[in-house]
Amino acid sequence: DAGITQSPRHKVTETGTPVTLRCHQTENHRYMYWYRQDPGHGLRLIHYSYGVKDTDKGEVSDGYSVSRSKTEDFLLTLESATSSQTSVYFCAISGRYSNQPQHFGDGTRLSIL
Amino acid sequence: DQQVKQNSPSLSVQEGRISILNCDYTNSMFDYFLWYKKYPAEGPTFLISISSIKDKNEDGRFTVFLNKSAKHLSLHIVPSQPGDSAVYFCAASAGSVGSGATNKLIFGTGTLLAVQP
Repeated sequence: DAGITQSPRHKVTETGTPVTLRCHQTENHRYMYWYRQDPGHGLRLIHYSYGVKDTDKGEVSDGYSVSRSKTEDFLLTLESATSSQTSVYFCAISGRYSNQPQHFGDGTRLSIL
Repeated sequence: DQQVKQNSPSLSVQEGRISILNCDYTNSMFDYFLWYKKYPAEGPTFLISISSIKDKNEDGRFTVFLNKSAKHLSLHIVPSQPGDSAVYFCAASAGSVGSGATNKLIFGTGTLLAVQP
């Protein structure tokens, strides 16, 4: 297994509260990614990072922010959670080149009531 | 607009037979394609990939075929086993090796494969 740990694994919270999800890797990989998985949509990229303090938006970035202060940690923050952000969130890592596959963590199931 | 499409939400096959999962794409800039397998409550697991310079890649029971003119790829599993029952996602990215490409993946919606004993 790729050394990826996501925390928490499950979270239930209320609309309007801030939420932070953590992804921790032990592989020293340069690239890290946050995806969300929803029925009928597959996995969609939220944000990604190509190095410490280097991040960029994916296709569904509205309402989310990220930070990467260390190679091993990539945080996803919902500043004010909404019910539409109820989803399963996956973190992934990959090496430098585009012909290297991404490896995924086991996900965080987030419910916003 | 869905750039990567898996038009079959589910597929059922008998153990020992061939499973064929299909994927279509619209973006001609895609040059790297992957298949992932996902069990419930787990993250996707990389299965096999293919570069656009090839039309076939094989790894044990798994073979991926790429038809660039049709913008179509398929995953063949032979022989199928009950443990292969899972959701299969195809994914694609645009970029070239060594360019520092971001490897941003676009995923299809998945196909649920059920292998009957």
